[in-house]
Amino acid sequence: QVTLKESGPVLVKPTETLTLTCTVSGFSLSNDRMGVTWIRQPPGKALEWLAHIFSNDERSYTTSLKSRLTISKDASKSQVVLIMTNLDPVDTATYFCARILPGDRLDYWGQGTLVTVSS
Amino acid sequence: SSELTQDPAVSVALGQTVRITCQGDSLRNYFATWYQQKPGQAPLLVIYGKNNRPSGIPGRFSGSSSGNTSSVTITGAQAEDEADYYCNSRDSSGNFLLFGGGTKLTVL
Repeated sequence: QVTLKESGPVLVKPTETLTLTCTVSGFSLSNDRMGVTWIRQPPGKALEWLAHIFSNDERSYTTSLKSRLTISKDASKSQVVLIMTNLDPVDTATYFCARILPGDRLDYWGQGTLVTVSS
Repeated sequence: SSELTQDPAVSVALGQTVRITCQGDSLRNYFATWYQQKPGQAPLLVIYGKNNRPSGIPGRFSGSSSGNTSSVTITGAQAEDEADYYCNSRDSSGNFLLFGGGTKLTVL
């Protein structure tokens, strides 16, 4: 059974750094052609793709946030970490991780974690 | 172009057919993937590739594409289909993923 679970702080202050962890089970981060992607959704707004990382360590970031994002994986721990620097209240959102397969389909999603940026 | 455009809202009478569309230049080269999201839940994959449904997705959901427009059609909409629907694809460069702005489907 494939599962993904996001974890991280609920509340972050402006200018601080956010570290989110996606812990996966039911598949290996070393598997060919699989990866994990991060998506966020501000309250009442649309989904926004942030970044993804594949088993071969290929990474990609959304252009608008590229300077603030770092994605990495630890296959031995079955974890993918997303770091976002210099947070602002507009970064308040539910952050999801999802498994990405060839053709870019996101077939399994975590439940999401709400991160609020406020002083 | 780096945008996928969806109608903000669409409604359909119970049991009728509705098509939700997504427009973008990149759709000439890449298939759209479609997700259903109900309030308070994570998105659910409903259509991928040319017209593929994951296991468990009802057969009333189908996908199609023509030119710069991709669509998901629900034939015989049910009350439980009321949700937000998002399309997703690569941008024209092929380097990044994009989501459309979402379509809120109301089943009357």
